[in-house]
Amino acid sequence: ETGVTQSPTHLIKTRGQQVTLRCSSQSGHNTVSWYQQALGQGPQFIFQYYREEENGRGNFPPRFSGLQFPNYSSELNVNALELDDSALYLCASSPAGGPRTDTQYFGPGTRLTVL
Amino acid sequence: QQQVKQSPQSLIVQKGGISIINCAYENTAFDYFPWYQQFPGKGPALLIAIRPDVSEKKEGRFTISFNKSAKQFSLHIMDSQPGDSATYFCAARGAGGSEKLVFGKGTKLTVNP
Repeated sequence: ETGVTQSPTHLIKTRGQQVTLRCSSQSGHNTVSWYQQALGQGPQFIFQYYREEENGRGNFPPRFSGLQFPNYSSELNVNALELDDSALYLCASSPAGGPRTDTQYFGPGTRLTVL
Repeated sequence: QQQVKQSPQSLIVQKGGISIINCAYENTAFDYFPWYQQFPGKGPALLIAIRPDVSEKKEGRFTISFNKSAKQFSLHIMDSQPGDSATYFCAARGAGGSEKLVFGKGTKLTVNP
């Protein structure tokens, strides 16, 4: 086990709604990244947070936003949900040492279905 | 430039055989190349990783071969076992200040007993 937990496991929402997904990293992991994994595809980078500041963003619209908290937890918020947002959302944390430490530990993901 | 192309999409091998998965990239600024293993319903787990200044890295039955000039790298699984049946992703760390990983589309490996 990686020590990274995510909640909820599964979630069903309706188009246009808003959703908050949560991630809890290991103590001392001050970098967290979020990825979207569509069915049958590789994960796609959404953004990264390092010491509670956004530290890089992928090709996702502003309705995808995030927060990182001092207690090594983080959130991914998605507004105005679209059908294409249906995917597995993964968070990955890295040990302290800077935003470019090599190892990223992935959580089990949250499966979001948008109807 | 940010793409990582992975092949094959699926692979079936017999127990004890060698599984080989290939990846190619364009961006020469990539500086770290991990392979992840993902079982159904689970998040990706780091399997093995290599930096571009090394041509080969071996950990147990898993070996990465890296060809910097060809911008290609591959995963070899020796003595493949049914428990290795999973989806494998190659990835590359993007240039810049973040830990952004660019993933291939994955290879579904099935090892028959």
